[in-house]
Parts: sequence; structure tokens; C-alpha cells
Amino acid sequence: DAGVIQSPRHEVTEMGQEVTLRCKPISGHDYLFWYRQTMMRGLELLIYFNNNVPIDDSGMPEDRFSAKMPNASFSTLKIQPSEPRDSAVYFCASSRSDGLVYEQYFGPGTRLTVT
Amino acid sequence: KQEVTQIPAALSVPEGENLVLNCSFTDSAIYNLQWFRQDPGKGLTSLLLIQSSQREQTSGRLNASLDKSSGRSTLYIAASQPGDSATYLCAVGGGATNKLIFGTGTLLAVQP
Repeated sequence: DAGVIQSPRHEVTEMGQEVTLRCKPISGHDYLFWYRQTMMRGLELLIYFNNNVPIDDSGMPEDRFSAKMPNASFSTLKIQPSEPRDSAVYFCASSRSDGLVYEQYFGPGTRLTVT
Repeated sequence: KQEVTQIPAALSVPEGENLVLNCSFTDSAIYNLQWFRQDPGKGLTSLLLIQSSQREQTSGRLNASLDKSSGRSTLYIAASQPGDSATYLCAVGGGATNKLIFGTGTLLAVQP
């Protein structure tokens, strides 16, 4: 299994530009999570999906952030317009459930720098 | 609101020592607790998952315990090695939704 795949690994963009981060979860996993990690705030959950449906987006900082999961093998996190304070490492994670809760598996992350 | 705290924030030990990392949480109504390891510039690697009905889990040199009533978990690392150097994060799950709340982590350095 290739694990959770994220792209790009690094993104540098100018303030005001649109940024799209991509994630491919582990096959067979029905939960997908987007996290953001910064030195100041640590690891924060932004949004998560179950069976491609957004369940909780209370962690999305503002309307500039949006996430989609058009099918079980692909999700995007979009920031439009981007701002310097969005600079962080964005992680995607996936897990499965069958009545019990199982481990979350994380991707390598996308390091976003907004100048 | 659930808050997760990890103490100490940083720890340096000589190789071979046994060590304990601590994690505390404010709301004892958790569903599970997970320990992760994060190497610099990398993603998180799951180490152990403890369900709320369990008291401990073991994997190799790692042992994690859970005391829900006191809001605490510990990660015990036996015979530490330089390769164990990393940041260790605990995260608690508050419901049957896999949603995790993370602690701030403990940065561990094992000196050869």
C-alpha cells in the first residue's frame, strides 16, 4: 500500500493567489481528514469527511478555505485568496471504521509558504 | 472543550535509558487515545491506539497506558536508542467519528 499521498510537497505562492492541495487516501478508508500544523498553534483539524461527505468543518478558519471530496480516492483543500498567515504544513490523513475506530494514517504533508 | 497537554515539552536522555512521556486531557469522556511520532519535516506515524475500554497497549519497546478517570496517558519507551529521537504527540478521540484533538508534543533527543 502506498499510504496517503499528498501533492504538491512544497508550494510557494504570492499573497492573493489561489492554492490547491491534493490528497489521495488509503484505499478502503472511509474517513479523510485535513489538518494544519504551525509552530504557534500546533496541529489543528480543519475538516473531515466520511464516505465523501463533509461531516465537520468547524475548524476551517474562514471562507477563504474550502474542501471537496468528489470520490473516495481524491480530496482537495483550496485557499482563495491566500494570505501570509496561511503559511503552514497541511496534512491529510485517512482511517477506516467498522463500528470500532482505527488509527489515522497521515500523508507526508504539503509545506505552504505564502509571501 | 477538550484540552490535551504534554509534559515535558522537551526531553534529552542518554542512550539506553527507560523513559516516560506524559499526556493529560481535561474531558475524560474520550473514545480512544492515539500516540504518534513525528520526525523533522515528515508526517505523523501512528505508534499505538488505545480504545477507551483498554488500559494499555504494547508494541515492541513501547507501552502506552490509559487512565480515563484521571485524564492521563503515558508512553513508556524501554532501552531508548538515538533512532527514537523525534517529537511524540498524543491525540484523544472524543466520539465514534475518529476526530482527534492533539497535544503540543514532546521533543525527545536520545544522545548516543
